[in-house]
Amino acid sequence: EPEVTQTPSHQVTQMGQEVILRCVPISNHLYFYWYRQILGQKVEFLVSFYNNEISEKSEIFDDQFSVERPDGSNFTLKIRSTKLEDSAMYFCASSEALDTGELFFGEGSRLTVL
Amino acid sequence: LAKTTQPISMDSYEGQEVNITCSHNNIATNDYITWYQQFPSQGPRFIIQGYKTKVTNEVASLFIPADRKSSTLSLPRVSLSDTAVYYCLVRYRDDKIIFGKGTRLHILP
Repeated sequence: EPEVTQTPSHQVTQMGQEVILRCVPISNHLYFYWYRQILGQKVEFLVSFYNNEISEKSEIFDDQFSVERPDGSNFTLKIRSTKLEDSAMYFCASSEALDTGELFFGEGSRLTVL
Repeated sequence: LAKTTQPISMDSYEGQEVNITCSHNNIATNDYITWYQQFPSQGPRFIIQGYKTKVTNEVASLFIPADRKSSTLSLPRVSLSDTAVYYCLVRYRDDKIIFGKGTRLHILP
């Protein structure tokens, strides 16, 4: 079964450092998403991406965040200058179409900011 | 986006049928109802989606009354491995898909 893959599975970084989280969505999917989940809290929407541009973003997705699809397979989330409160699980998801309702999520990247 | 309301938590026993109800009073005509399951430290996983009446797959059933203002996810004969958080979402063709707090289901032996 095709799946969304994410790397790294866990990253530890110092406050103020830049972090790039990588995702390989399912190959025929057109819509890509990043979510985050702080420990014990709900899954929070960050951003959606379609046709090489951001289609929606939340208030969490401020100037320190950016997304990119640098080639035909990868979808990355960059956090420019990490803060302690960025420590969370980051999930990438993809979907084939906008109205199917089915998002396929990766296993997540755990980010720990010290 | 239609707001959804679910119980915060539920307990049940192995072998029982579990029903989790979600309220979505302001659901729009085109909205679909979708349920996801999330295990600890994993991403949410799609369970089932429906528009009206009843939908069944190998994992669950989804019951939607005629007014569509609520829906019930039914898990037949649960096991310990069904312990998870279950999310109800209501949406149509939007790409800002918001998860609520979900229902924390705890299955007891």
